[in-house]
Amino acid sequence: EADIYQTPRYLVIGTGKKITLECSQTMGHDKMYWYQQDPGMELHLIHYSYGVNSTEKGDLSSESTVSRIRTEHFPLTLESARPSHTSQYLCASSEVAGGTQYFGPGTRLTVL
Amino acid sequence: GIQVEQSPPDLILQEGANSTLRCNFSDSVNNLQWFHQNPWGQLINLFYIPSGTKQNGRLSATTVATERYSLLYISSSQTTDSGVYFCAVNRDDKIIFGKGTRLHILP
Repeated sequence: EADIYQTPRYLVIGTGKKITLECSQTMGHDKMYWYQQDPGMELHLIHYSYGVNSTEKGDLSSESTVSRIRTEHFPLTLESARPSHTSQYLCASSEVAGGTQYFGPGTRLTVL
Repeated sequence: GIQVEQSPPDLILQEGANSTLRCNFSDSVNNLQWFHQNPWGQLINLFYIPSGTKQNGRLSATTVATERYSLLYISSSQTTDSGVYFCAVNRDDKIIFGKGTRLHILP
């Protein structure tokens, strides 16, 4: 079972602020993913990475950016938060592409 | 792209009842996973099941890849089974989630 962590768990911020959502995993997985999920709705892939210095955009367009400087760390950044960014952000990792995905507890973001 | 449809969208059952959740997908896939999202938002992987049948305690899953569907069975439901059950398929390294089945188990 993978150990995957996200911080903060909850975040309430004002419009225009820059924020970074942290995601770390301790299992040495090369593949990492960010999903966006509105309450009660399906998950949408917004970013993924298959290894260090590799990042790709997912199916749902997002104004956020990601980086992958270390295998275990995959942070997501919003340069200027807006109310439309209010959502839950879930980070996941897997050993191989398309393999079993392990999810972090999520960050619930509210932008006022 | 591949469409993933889950049914029923909502299900309310009494504790102890059995249930079957269905996931249909519109094209061939490399694999399929079932997840449970608890009321606090945590997603737990239940099964990785591209084909065949697997069982884990009161839960079991069957995927018939040639007919493009998967079933998740929950027997003797408990209140802790409440939450949303998602099916997710993978093809060409892209993972697509269904909209989920919201299950509410009454005590």
